[in-house]
Amino acid sequence: SQQGEEDPQALSIQEGENATMNCSYKTSINNLQWYRQNSGRGLVHLILIRSNEREKHSGRLRVTLDTSKKSSSLLITASRAADTASYFCATERKAAGNKLTFGGGTRVLVKP
Amino acid sequence: SAVISQKPSRDICQRGTSLTIQCQVDSQVTMMFWYRQQPGQSLTLIATANQGSEATYESGFVIDKFPISRPNLTFSTLTVSNMSPEDSSIYLCSAEEGKETQYFGPGTRLLVL
Repeated sequence: SQQGEEDPQALSIQEGENATMNCSYKTSINNLQWYRQNSGRGLVHLILIRSNEREKHSGRLRVTLDTSKKSSSLLITASRAADTASYFCATERKAAGNKLTFGGGTRVLVKP
Repeated sequence: SAVISQKPSRDICQRGTSLTIQCQVDSQVTMMFWYRQQPGQSLTLIATANQGSEATYESGFVIDKFPISRPNLTFSTLTVSNMSPEDSSIYLCSAEEGKETQYFGPGTRLLVL
């Protein structure tokens, strides 16, 4: 199976609720990055967390990283309809230089 | 953060033809990459565009099918050659800034008939 697998594959929530998605990976990493993609357009970089970091915040986003479990989570608090998008995690593996390996993505629908 | 533009934003092409996609970064960057995103799928790395030398291709991608140029530190092109309907995808370029964060262009949506 691929480096960087996400669950759930799809998530439907009401506006104002929190959305949590998870990413698992298999090999040692330098960092893990989260991206958002709206309707098959370009990717927007959300947050980068390094292998020696455990948690980072950016606005309504909270990312955690557990290297012992090889997993990360992205929490979006107080979701808005504009948060409707696909979210991807991407790992930069230690053995692969600067190359990113993407997870399958989580499609999030925020209903107004 | 680096701002990346791509041209064309979308195209519809006939099978057997070729399309060249351009990627422009607003600052000099060391690393540039090309990805493919097939319908409903995640991103797959095609190759690393190396400045002044041949691109480094990932398994399953070859230079004859996806020739890449990188004449300087701000520009790269990807050509999709001898296209078939299976090449219908979104093609995205990215650039790495500061040896960590990769920023992406808006993508080129390609439909091959």
